[in-house]
Amino acid sequence: QSALTQPASVSGSPGQSITISCIGSSSDIGSYNIVSWYQQHPGRVPKLILYEVAERPSGVSNRFSGSKSGNTASLTISGLQAEDEADYYCCSSALRGTLVLFGGGTKLTVL
Amino acid sequence: EVHLAESGGGLVQPGGSLRLSCAASGFTFNSYWMHWVRQAPGKGLVWVSFVNSDGTITRYADSVKGRFTISRDNANNTLYLQMNNLRPEDTGIYYCTRAVVVTDFDSWGQGALVTVSS
Repeated sequence: QSALTQPASVSGSPGQSITISCIGSSSDIGSYNIVSWYQQHPGRVPKLILYEVAERPSGVSNRFSGSKSGNTASLTISGLQAEDEADYYCCSSALRGTLVLFGGGTKLTVL
Repeated sequence: EVHLAESGGGLVQPGGSLRLSCAASGFTFNSYWMHWVRQAPGKGLVWVSFVNSDGTITRYADSVKGRFTISRDNANNTLYLQMNNLRPEDTGIYYCTRAVVVTDFDSWGQGALVTVSS
């Protein structure tokens, strides 16, 4: 089963909003509202920033939001800040085969 | 505070074996599903394996099926990954992670580096 599809890179200026897409299939994203997003700074451990599509763990900024439509999930970061520059990964449970799928990751650059 | 600490990584030749351990503390270990996720140098996250809370159900990525075995010791709050017949493409950092609901990995260890090379 293939990994979820994310753009390799996105960029934005401070204060702007960006959206990262995560394309799956009817066997994973399309079947469950169990999509999570992770932020990883260079050399650091991944951090959960969204779960169950749009829920934020305690302590995560409300500038991070999530949505899902059909087989595609999206992460939106509003009011971009320099500290948001990192790699972002989506993740979903899968109906068949591999239990868990990650996206290939998206490098966010804050200009 | 939740704490996960991996150990057992290192350099191994192709075809060799390693056993990773993950010591858990700060939470009720036997209530959570646990997973291993790996990351090759400069690459993305890849799910490796899962074990349910009592150790009776396991799943593996196709790339490691038949070579890796996940297990847990709830009496000692420890997760394991036995890796046999290692290949160069298994090289990477292996993270132990806790799942709240299937793929909600809310806590991660610092990772154990595994290098498979001759």
